[in-house]
Order: sequence, then C-alpha cells, then structure tokens
Amino acid sequence: GQSLEQPSEVTAVEGAIVQINCTYQTSGFYGLSWYQQHDGGAPTFLSYNALDGLEETGRFSSFLSRSDSYGYLLLQELQMKDSASYFCAVRDRGGNKLTFGTGTQLKVEL
Amino acid sequence: KAGVTQTPRYLIKTRGQQVTLSCSPISGHRSVSWYQQTPGQGLQFLFEYFSETQRNKGNFPGRFSGRQFSNSRSEMNVSTLELGDSALYLCASSLGPGGGGSEKLFFGSGTQLSVL
Repeated sequence: GQSLEQPSEVTAVEGAIVQINCTYQTSGFYGLSWYQQHDGGAPTFLSYNALDGLEETGRFSSFLSRSDSYGYLLLQELQMKDSASYFCAVRDRGGNKLTFGTGTQLKVEL
Repeated sequence: KAGVTQTPRYLIKTRGQQVTLSCSPISGHRSVSWYQQTPGQGLQFLFEYFSETQRNKGNFPGRFSGRQFSNSRSEMNVSTLELGDSALYLCASSLGPGGGGSEKLFFGSGTQLSVL
C-alpha cells in the first residue's frame, strides 16, 4: 500500500515563502497531486507532477523526485487566504487507487 | 458551469440505519470517486466509478457500496450505520478515469454524516 507523510502544521508570516513536504513509501505511481482545503470547504486541485522536476503555477510551485521518494509544495508571497490544509496524493499503478497524505495545516500570520 | 453537487449537506442518523448520499458531477465528467474524511484518518478513498462501472474500491467493509447511473450521477450507500461512520463524505468528478493523466479532481462540498 501507499503511505504519504506530511508535517501536521506549518506556520509562516504574510509575504513569506513556505515549503510543505510530502515523503512517501510506495511502489509505482502515476504522479503526485496537491490539493488545498479551507475549513468547511471542498478540496481544490492545485498542481500535478507527472514527471520529476518543478511545476509552477502562479504563486504555487510543486516538485517531485521519484529517486528520493519526496515531493513538496512551495507557496510564495503568502497571503492570509492561504491559511488552509494542504494534501499531497498519489495514484498507484497497480490498483489505481488514490491515496492522500496526512495533511498539513498552514497558518499564515501577520 | 455548475460544480459538483452533493446532497444532502448534513445528515443525522442513528446506529443500525442506512443512508444514501447523492453526487452530481460536473457536466461532461464521466468519472466519480468517493472519499471519507475524518480528523483521525484523514482523506480515505472509498471507490471510483467510470461509465457506470466500479473501477476500484478502497479498504472499507461491504456495508459501503455505490453505483453510477447513465447520466454519470452517483450514489453511495452505507448500511447498518456505526458510530465510526460519522464523517464528511466527499465526492469528486473528473473527465476520465484516474491514472495516466486525468488527475485533476473537482470536489463537492461533501455530506456531513453524524451517527448517533
């Protein structure tokens, strides 16, 4: 099965840069996804890394290294509205099931 | 374009009862997947449907079942409810089945189920 670990909580100040890590133990998978979820809200898709390397979408970037079993989400120019939970996820090639990470609660302070 | 719609938004049931939750995907999306979210276990995959066929299933007991209709709308059913089934049940839709590129899921706001 899959196992994806994330830090439970990260705190940063407005305007700063923060990195949320996702380490995993899994055999073959298609790629690494990231989702954002505000309290009481639905998860929303942020990014997807099918290949190793960096993917950039505005203030958000995501990175994947299959050789290191590691990925991260980078948020730049933090804003108060970025306070939310962030989840990484992988879909295994065998059973095609989507597994989510443990989730990271990001708190952005003034 | 309307988003993913889940009904009802809140539900209170007692142990032993059964419940049916509904999910209407984004128009044109043919894949629907279901997830259970709890503070202790996080987001856990229940099952995925594509073109009315269940493609895969998570590690949940047989009390959890689902189906998809020809218009891509989906329902999930939980029979003989237990206290531990209290959770937020999320539905997500995508254009195609997961794997090989169709990884962008669009989630509904969920159904908050409380079992008393």
